[in-house]
Amino acid sequence: EAGVTQFPSHSVIEKGQTVTLRCDPISGHDNLYWYRRVMGKEIKFLLHFVKESKQDESGMPNNRFLAERTGGTYSTLKVQPAELEDSGVYFCASSHSYNEQFFGPGTRLTVL
Amino acid sequence: AQSVTQLGSHVSVSEGALVLLRCNYSSSVPPYLFWYVQYPNQGLQLLLKYTTGATLVKGINGFEAEFKKSETSFHLTKPSAHMSDAAEYFCAVMVNTGFQKLVFGTGTRLLVSP
Repeated sequence: EAGVTQFPSHSVIEKGQTVTLRCDPISGHDNLYWYRRVMGKEIKFLLHFVKESKQDESGMPNNRFLAERTGGTYSTLKVQPAELEDSGVYFCASSHSYNEQFFGPGTRLTVL
Repeated sequence: AQSVTQLGSHVSVSEGALVLLRCNYSSSVPPYLFWYVQYPNQGLQLLLKYTTGATLVKGINGFEAEFKKSETSFHLTKPSAHMSDAAEYFCAVMVNTGFQKLVFGTGTRLLVSP
């Protein structure tokens, strides 16, 4: 069974540009989560999808971040326009049951 | 609000020595507790979890953790460190109120010397 995959693994962009991160969850997992780790700090929750619906987006930092989950399958997280403080590692996780989340390898985003 | 405190951003041990990584949590309701490990250039991997039942939980690679409600702790231990244990370890809490987000600590990097 394939795990959670994320694309790209690394992205380097200029301030003001747009970046889109993609997450493919484990097949059959209705729950999909986005987290972010800014360097040296804790991993922080961004949002949670159940199928294609946003269940909890309380962690989204501001309206420059837009998350979608088309047809309840893969998800994208768009940052537009990117700022320096958006740099970090973005993790995606998926789950079938409520007490275990499977994480992807993360996308390292660097905003210059 | 839930929170997790991991004491020590770095812990160094010798190969064969006891590993002890500390985690304290704050939660107003019974929590679910997790330890994740991140090896270099890899994603987070679940080591072990406590949900209900036995308070001593065993995980992969010889790790175990004990849930102590009175101390609000969930420390991770391994009797004998191996070089391959060098990684970053994250403690996390989940509140089972229908919202399933994980709240993480800041992580502890374990260094193992020969």
